[in-house]
Amino acid sequence: DVKVTQSSRYLVKRTGEKVFLECVQDMDHENMFWYRQDPGLGLRLIYFSYDVKMKEKGDIPEGYSVSREKKERFSLILESTSTNQTSMYLCASSSQGRLNTEAFFGQGTRLTVV
Amino acid sequence: AQTVTQSQPEMSVQEAETVTLSCTYDTSESNYYLFWYKQPPSRQMILVIRQEAYKQQNATENRFSVNFQKAAKSFSLKISDSQLGDTAMYFCAFRFYGQNFVFGPGTRLSVLP
Repeated sequence: DVKVTQSSRYLVKRTGEKVFLECVQDMDHENMFWYRQDPGLGLRLIYFSYDVKMKEKGDIPEGYSVSREKKERFSLILESTSTNQTSMYLCASSSQGRLNTEAFFGQGTRLTVV
Repeated sequence: AQTVTQSQPEMSVQEAETVTLSCTYDTSESNYYLFWYKQPPSRQMILVIRQEAYKQQNATENRFSVNFQKAAKSFSLKISDSQLGDTAMYFCAFRFYGQNFVFGPGTRLSVLP
C-alpha cells in the first residue's frame, strides 16, 4: 500500500518559534509538494520539488523554506512562526511520468500558532 | 497561469439520489490531466477519478463519473446512488505534464439520511 507520512498530526507553537514539518514517501516518486489548506481557498502550493536538492517556489512561499536531501523526504521549515501561519499543511508526492500521475497525500498537519 | 473554479461552496443530497459537482478551469495547454479528490472529515485526501485531456471518453469509477467538455473547459463530477460515506470536501484539480497540481476551492458535500 502506497504511503505518504507526515511527522505530526497536530502541532501548537508559540509566535516566533521555528517549526519543521517532515514528509516521507515510500513510492520512489520524483515530485513532492507542500500545500497549505484554508477554508474557501482550497489548496495553495507553497513549494514543489521535482528531484533531490531541487525546488521551486509555489504561489505562497513567503515565510517558508524547504529541504530535500533524500528522494523520499521533503521538509517544510517555518523559520519564525506567526499567527497567520495557523493552517492545515498537506504534503503530497507524485510520479514524474505520464502514467500514474496522480498525487498521493499525507494525513495533514494542523498547525496552530499562538 | 492555470486556474480552477468550483462555483458551489456547499451542496447537499439525499441518500440514494444523484448529485453533480461543477468545475471549470482555464488553461492554454492542450494536453493535461484533471482530477477529483475527496477529503472526508478529519481524514486523508484520496483520488476519486482522473481524466486525461486527450481522451474523449468520459472516465467512470463505479458510482462516480465525469462529464468532460474540453472546449468549454468544464469537468463536472456526478455521484450516483449517494451514500453517507460520500460526505466530504471535493476538490477539482488540474495538472499539466510534470508540473504542480492546481486545485479549486472545494465543494462541501453533505449526504443526508
